[in-house]
Amino acid sequence: QVQLQESGPGLVKPSETLSLTCTISGGSINSYYWSWVRQSPGKGLEWIGYIYYSGSTNCNPSLKSRVTMSVDTSKKQFSLKLTSVTAADTAVYYCAAGMVRGVLIGRYFFDYWGQGALVTVSS
Amino acid sequence: EIVLTQSPGTLSLSPGERATLSCRASQTVSSNYLAWYQQKPGQAPRLLIYGASSRATGIPDRFSGSGSGTDFTLTINRLEPEDFAVYYCQQYGSSPQTFGQGTKVEIK
Repeated sequence: QVQLQESGPGLVKPSETLSLTCTISGGSINSYYWSWVRQSPGKGLEWIGYIYYSGSTNCNPSLKSRVTMSVDTSKKQFSLKLTSVTAADTAVYYCAAGMVRGVLIGRYFFDYWGQGALVTVSS
Repeated sequence: EIVLTQSPGTLSLSPGERATLSCRASQTVSSNYLAWYQQKPGQAPRLLIYGASSRATGIPDRFSGSGSGTDFTLTINRLEPEDFAVYYCQQYGSSPQTFGQGTKVEIK
């Protein structure tokens, strides 16, 4: 059983960088795609991207130019940075985990979710 | 990217009735990599179905998924009070993976 917990500022100013960290409990860090998904009233659920324990990543092309993800295997944490935020980035940000199954890289559904962190972009 | 369209937007039913939710894809979903999630207010989504028809661990057998290609269905037999929620489909066969906009199942 994997448990995930998001942490980070709940308020970010426009044009600044949103930073979130997800702490992992349980599970094997090399068995999952560690992911970020956000949910806003206007756009519903949106996959942001994933990072594997090796550091390889894949991001949604719509956000790729602004997203950086990293993983710290010793701390069992992974992180998201989203630069140049605007009000449109206001959302509940979830960290989530999808088990690595089969041979197709990056084809996964979400087995586990964090509780979500509301991030508001406002001055 | 693949656009998923869910219908209806809202389904008003009574406990004990059957719910039939639709998810239509703008392109063929590779390998029928289609999942369904349930979300209740203030909670994260919960995995119900993956691979179009496989139930996730611990999911009651009143939940079933079917379909292939571009048309998929989630059926909930004999609605229980705890089943009233929002349901989302997700395709993970192509990158970027995408979600439908959701169907709300509400008490009539």
